[in-house]
Amino acid sequence: QVHLQQSGPGLVKPSQTLSLTCAISGDSVSSDSATWNWIRQSPSRGLEWLGRTYYRSKWYDDYAVSVKSRITINPDTSKNQFSLQLNSVTPEDTAVYYCARGTSRLNDAFDIWGQGTMVTVSS
Amino acid sequence: DIVMTQSPDSLAVSLGERATINCKSSQSVLYSSNNKNYLAWYQQKPGQPPKLLICWASTRESGVPDRFSGSGSGTDFTLTISSLQAEDVALYYCQQYYTTPFTFGGGTKVEIK
Repeated sequence: QVHLQQSGPGLVKPSQTLSLTCAISGDSVSSDSATWNWIRQSPSRGLEWLGRTYYRSKWYDDYAVSVKSRITINPDTSKNQFSLQLNSVTPEDTAVYYCARGTSRLNDAFDIWGQGTMVTVSS
Repeated sequence: DIVMTQSPDSLAVSLGERATINCKSSQSVLYSSNNKNYLAWYQQKPGQPPKLLICWASTRESGVPDRFSGSGSGTDFTLTISSLQAEDVALYYCQQYYTTPFTFGGGTKVEIK
């Protein structure tokens, strides 16, 4: 059974970096049949896909244009997890952040989700 | 980006009655080479992440009750709950996974009348 466990701070100051981690159990971050995604949800923006990392003989990533200049999603094979870094945050980045697995069985529909982390950007 | 538009924003249905949610995409999510619609439906209850209910527009995920069904093709899709149960009170979202950026509808809130 696949499980995603999120960790990271719930409060970040404006202009600083938001950092979250998603630990994977029951699957591998290096799986060639999964992608590892970050999605956020806020009242103003709804559900917004931010980006993903995945392994297909080598590592790939791709990001939403809205955050492309500020975001990094990195795999950590030693800990079987992946992370989100979002730089230069503003109050508009306040949201619930989710990690989620995309499976090639479903051509990357999100079948497993983390529990969510409420992140508030405030001084 | 593909824009997903859901309607209505909310609906109230009596227990045992049918609930119907619509989703329209700004461009087709039907992949011609395999004739599959890259459209998913999710259910979200308060304080929980979304749960995948239906993929490929009409395929129920394992364990999803058969009162949930999806239909449609191309740009117009429907999620139907054939006989609403109390535990179905939730927000429902459609999502296209045809191309990145993956995009979601704005959500439909289903309540008991």
